[in-house]
Amino acid sequence: EVQLVESGGGLVQPGGSLKLSCAASGFTFSGSAIHWVRQASGKGLEWLGLIRSKGYNYATGYVSSVKGRFTISRDDSKKTAYLQMNSLKTEDTAVYYCTTTTGWGQGTLVTVSS
Amino acid sequence: DIQLTQSPSFLSASVGDRVTITCRASQGISSYLAWYQQKPGKAPKLLIYAASTLQSGVPSRFSGSRSGTEFTLTISSLQPEDFATYYCQQLSNYPFTFGQGTRLEIK
Repeated sequence: EVQLVESGGGLVQPGGSLKLSCAASGFTFSGSAIHWVRQASGKGLEWLGLIRSKGYNYATGYVSSVKGRFTISRDDSKKTAYLQMNSLKTEDTAVYYCTTTTGWGQGTLVTVSS
Repeated sequence: DIQLTQSPSFLSASVGDRVTITCRASQGISSYLAWYQQKPGKAPKLLIYAASTLQSGVPSRFSGSRSGTEFTLTISSLQPEDFATYYCQQLSNYPFTFGQGTRLEIK
């Protein structure tokens, strides 16, 4: 069974940075693409980006609203994916999920506020 | 970016009803479409992938279909646990956009 656990959320000031982690188990992490999705309170789902597996040269893709500010990476030896978020804005406040599409983490809350 | 338009945005139905939710893509996405169910305070759950393939463990009352750029999610006989918000997502072109969601409530 796909298990994903996000961590690293919290309160950060506008303009600040935060790095989220996504620890995986129960499936072949090294062969799987990992997506990041967020959801602001009371709003819909927003796809942020993904990182593919080594077989796809760890290719990444992002939505334009975070391109250049957010970076997705992975460490297959640790079965962990990461979302580095820089130049954070108040509108980045949301619950952040990592997902393989078949399995989802529980989410971690990021609050951007002064 | 590919836009996905779900209809209706809100649906009120009763236990035992047959309901259909539609997701229209702004351009061709082949069958690269997934459907998710989300309950309040919980992560989404994959129901259908590749437009019509039922995810393992999902009840057979859920089904998906495609006609061109129009996709439908059908629940054949609503159960109390089906009242939730449903999202479609295209996995054809970056960014992998979601529809705006359909909230299904008990009548």
